Amino acid sequence: QSALTQPPSASGSPGQSVTISCTGTSSDVGGYKYVSWYQQYPGKAPKLMIYEVSKRTSGVPDRFSGSKSGNTASLTVSGLQAEDEADYYCSSYAGSNNLVFGGGTKLTVL
Amino acid sequence: EVQVLESGGGLVQPGGSLRLSCAASGFTFSSYVMNWVRQAPGKGLEWVSFISGSGGGAYYADSVKGRFTISRDNSKNTLDLQMNSLRAEDTAVYYCAKGRLNWNDGSMDYWGPGTLVTVSS
Repeated sequence: QSALTQPPSASGSPGQSVTISCTGTSSDVGGYKYVSWYQQYPGKAPKLMIYEVSKRTSGVPDRFSGSKSGNTASLTVSGLQAEDEADYYCSSYAGSNNLVFGGGTKLTVL
Repeated sequence: EVQVLESGGGLVQPGGSLRLSCAASGFTFSSYVMNWVRQAPGKGLEWVSFISGSGGGAYYADSVKGRFTISRDNSKNTLDLQMNSLRAEDTAVYYCAKGRLNWNDGSMDYWGPGTLVTVSS
């Protein structure tokens, strides 16, 4: 149950696009279509943004999109806004009723 | 409105025990898996355990297997986590999180505010 690999930080200016990667193995990200993305503000609970790789939860702006290629999933935030500054975590089903999270990425809006 | 609210956190000595509870409302509790996820201070999220809607299936991360026990009471809409043989590395905010489905694909759509467990002498 090793954690998925995310870059510790990412940044972009308002209006730009930024992509956060989430790398696993064929036993988790690469083996299933069950990758989720969560947004977390400091001191708050995580919020589900994306599930099943690319499906947005109700109310999530379409500026947020998810994709996957091989063992790497990605979250892209287009048209960056100040309110997007937060921590982002990926998670994946890892078989045998196991789940694994990524280490998290701090997104800074410059 | 869906709500989940944890309770039971606090300070406990290494080797001690603690029982966390989660009260749920606003949805058909027995129809969804429920999870415990923790976050050590300044660290990332770590999945701890989940339980099926019926309570018949319970699953754990390797880091807590044999020490923690998850359970649910569908008549009271409550979820519990019994934590034994606690270690310093169990110190974290513990979140109760509702699964989006009736099986666990890893997506959790409602989370409580969390309860802090501190393991220290």
